[in-house]
Order: sequence, then structure tokens, then C-alpha cells
Amino acid sequence: GAVVSQHPSRVICKSGTSVKIECRSLDFQATTMFWYRQFPKQSLMLMATSNEGSKATYEQGVEKDKFLINHASLTLSTLTVTSAHPEDSSFYICSANKAQNNSPLHFGNGTRLTVT
Amino acid sequence: DAKTTQPPSMDCAEGRAANLPCNHSTISGNEYVYWYRQIHSQGPQYIIHGLKNNETNEMASLIITEDRKSSTLILPHATLRDTAVYYCIVRSIGGSYIPTFGRGTSLIVHP
Repeated sequence: GAVVSQHPSRVICKSGTSVKIECRSLDFQATTMFWYRQFPKQSLMLMATSNEGSKATYEQGVEKDKFLINHASLTLSTLTVTSAHPEDSSFYICSANKAQNNSPLHFGNGTRLTVT
Repeated sequence: DAKTTQPPSMDCAEGRAANLPCNHSTISGNEYVYWYRQIHSQGPQYIIHGLKNNETNEMASLIITEDRKSSTLILPHATLRDTAVYYCIVRSIGGSYIPTFGRGTSLIVHP
């Protein structure tokens, strides 16, 4: 089945530094990938839609200059949390789906970010 | 895309069937029903989807009412490893798709 690989699985960084999270579709091409953030005991909150070869579309309230998204190829999207603060600590999840119309989303295993 | 309503929590005895309901009363004709689940601290996992016919795969069965306003995900023989949050999502085919998640149903399977 379709596999989405997300790396790293967990990262601890100091306040003020930047962290890059990678999301790869291993056996299919994904023109669109989605980035979510999940706080404890809450549902997934969509942050942005990543489109290959064009700018990402951000949800309301998500700062595009803080959460930089790059989707340079059909199999790779990256999310960079810039100048991280403790309140950015969260579980970040990416997903992708194949180009077929009713294909389901396939999710990475998430990245646990802790900012100290 | 239409919204969905699910009970916040359910529990089930191991080995018994788990029946998880979802209401999607505003679903339109070209919208599919998708189910995912999320085990603690993992990414969500796709389970099954359907349009109007009942569907079955190796993980679960999906029963969609004739008017398509609700559906039920059935785990026929629940195991402890099925403890997870289950999300029901309605998605239209074609056009732009913005996948958003509600709060889902937290299923606890107990011994």
C-alpha cells in the first residue's frame, strides 16, 4: 500500500532555533500534501496545503513566515518551524494522496516537536 | 464538504463487534464517506471508504444507510489494538479538497 514517510519522529530544540520536518511519499507521486498540528487530546488541525511547484495555502491563523513549506518535488514536502518557541511544541503530521479521484489520504507517523 | 457528527467515546469488550456511528445528514450526491483511525502518538491510518454501497475489507465493514445520511463502521472482532480515535470524514470527489477532521470517537477496547 501507499506509504508516507515523515522524519524525524521526534525532535527537541532550543527556543529561537529552526526545525525542518520532511514528508516523503515513497511509492507514489503526490501533487498535494497536507500539514497538520495536533495538541494533546485534540483533533488534527490543518495548517496548510502544500502544492508541488507553487506556494502553499495556509489556513487562517497560521503564520506563513513562521511555518515555511516547500514542495519542490512530487515526493517531498518540508515544513520548517522558524524561530521556535515553547508554544510551538506539538505533534506535526503530514499526509498525501495519490492523484486518483477517490484515493484516501496516507499519513506520516508524525513528528513530536518539543521546544525548550 | 459536509460535516460529520460522532459520539465522543465508546467502549467495547475484546472479541465483540464494535459499531461506530457517524451522522452526515448534509452529505451530497458526489461525496464519499471515509474512515480513519489514530492510535495514540501515531499518524492516522486509513480504514475504509464508500459512496452508497456497503463495503468490506480486511480491517472493517462500512454500512451506509439508504439515504446516505449516516453510516456505521464495524470492527467485527475488536482487539485491544483497535483502541484508537476513529474519524469519519465526508469528501467530495473532484475540485479542491481540504481534508479537515472533527473530534472523532475514542474507542476503548477492554479485556
